[in-house]
Amino acid sequence: QKEVEQNSGPLSVPEGAIASLNCTYSDRVSQSFFWYRQYSGKSPELIMSIYSNGDKEDGRFTAQLNKASQYVSLLIRDSQPSDSATYLCAVSHSGAGSYQLTFGKGTKLSVIP
Amino acid sequence: EPEVTQTPSHQVTQMGQEVILRCVPISNHLYFYWYRQILGQKVEFLVSFYNNEISEKSEIFDDQFSVERPDGSNFTLKIRSTKLEDSAMYFCASSSERDNEQFFGPGTRLTVL
Repeated sequence: QKEVEQNSGPLSVPEGAIASLNCTYSDRVSQSFFWYRQYSGKSPELIMSIYSNGDKEDGRFTAQLNKASQYVSLLIRDSQPSDSATYLCAVSHSGAGSYQLTFGKGTKLSVIP
Repeated sequence: EPEVTQTPSHQVTQMGQEVILRCVPISNHLYFYWYRQILGQKVEFLVSFYNNEISEKSEIFDDQFSVERPDGSNFTLKIRSTKLEDSAMYFCASSSERDNEQFFGPGTRLTVL
């Protein structure tokens, strides 16, 4: 069974600090990896996608992927109170004709002003 | 910026009734998905749809569920005879390519009484 594991938190960081969110996955043939942000009562909002080993930076966000360790992470630099949300790690798996996403339970991040 | 839209935002129904949830995917996208999220739980894949047919479906997507693309823009999820445990947020998502980023709509909150 394909599993995506995240520390549920809450993770509390002071404003301006770096928040580090981690995710592990069980399926070695997983293709693509995504980080979504979900505010309470809202839908998942795509933040980052990463497809190959290494780092990918987009503004204050950096995604890191290590397929050998089956590990993907998200760093948020200069954290802001508006970053307070639940961060969902999602992994795509090849099926018959699509790439369904398997989500982790999410890590709740709280940025303290 | 193009976005996925969903209607209604909230649907209340009696157990045993049929409901239809509607989605308008991003206009140039070809792959469509339905996910659900029971309160406090992870986002779960239901079904994917491409080229006017189901590509993949999960164990949750039993005979009570069906999907349809009745015209060039709408994508619907029908639940034939709702159960209490169908109460959840239902999210529609779309992507332009098979393993590309999936963008989620705002969701429909389904409450079965």
